[in-house]
Amino acid sequence: AIQLTQSPSSLSASVGDRVTITCRASQGISSALAWYQQKPGKAPKLLIYDASSLESGVPSRFSGSGSGTDFTLTISSLQPEDFATYYCQQFNSYPVTFGQGTRLEIK
Amino acid sequence: QVQLQESGPGLVKPSQTLSLTCTVSGGSISSGSYYWSWIRQPAGKGLEWIGRIYTSGSTNYNPSLKSRVTISVDTSKNQFSLKLSSVTAADTAVYYCARTGGYNSGWFDPWGQGTLVTVSS
Repeated sequence: AIQLTQSPSSLSASVGDRVTITCRASQGISSALAWYQQKPGKAPKLLIYDASSLESGVPSRFSGSGSGTDFTLTISSLQPEDFATYYCQQFNSYPVTFGQGTRLEIK
Repeated sequence: QVQLQESGPGLVKPSQTLSLTCTVSGGSISSGSYYWSWIRQPAGKGLEWIGRIYTSGSTNYNPSLKSRVTISVDTSKNQFSLKLSSVTAADTAVYYCARTGGYNSGWFDPWGQGTLVTVSS
C-alpha cells in the first residue's frame, strides 16, 4: 500500500497567517490526491481533489499543489473556522490510503 | 443533494460480527458511476479505508481487513451495508460511509456523520 506522510503533525498559527501542510507519497501517484478538513466530532470535509482542484463551496484561501510524490495544502490567510485537523488521501491505487493528519491549532 | 446516514448497534461483543447500514437519501444509489465506501477512525487516530461496492455488486476491500469484511448493496432500499466478523477491541472506531468515484475520481464526498461502534463484553 502507498504510504502518505504529512508534515508537520501539528502546527500552531495565528489568524491571518499563511500556512502550508505537506504530504509525501511513498511512490508516485500522479495528481491522484485529495485534502480533507475534519473538526472534532464531525466527518471529514472534502477541500481539494486531483491535487489542485478546489471543491465547490470551499473558500478560495485554500489551495493545493503538487504531483508525483510531493504535495502541499496552503491556507493563504487563516480564519478562526480553519482550526481543525487536515488529512491527505491518495486514490492512485487501491487500497486508498490517508496521511496521519496535521492538527492546526490556534497560537 | 445526496446525504448518507449510518445506522447499527453501537456496542458489539468481542468475536461477534459488526453490522452497519448506510442509507442514501436525496438521490438514487444506482445513478451515476459511483462507488460506495466504508471508512473507519479509531478515537484520536487517522482514517482507514475498509472497502467499497458498486451497485452491480462488485467490491474491493482493504487487504488488511479483507478476510473479515463483507460489503453488500440493496438498491431497492437505497442502502449498502458492512459486516465485519470476529471483532476485537481494535475494531472500536467511528465508522463512516461515503460516496466515491471510480478510477481517477477516488475522493470521498459526501460522507455520513459517522457512528461509533465499541467492541466490549
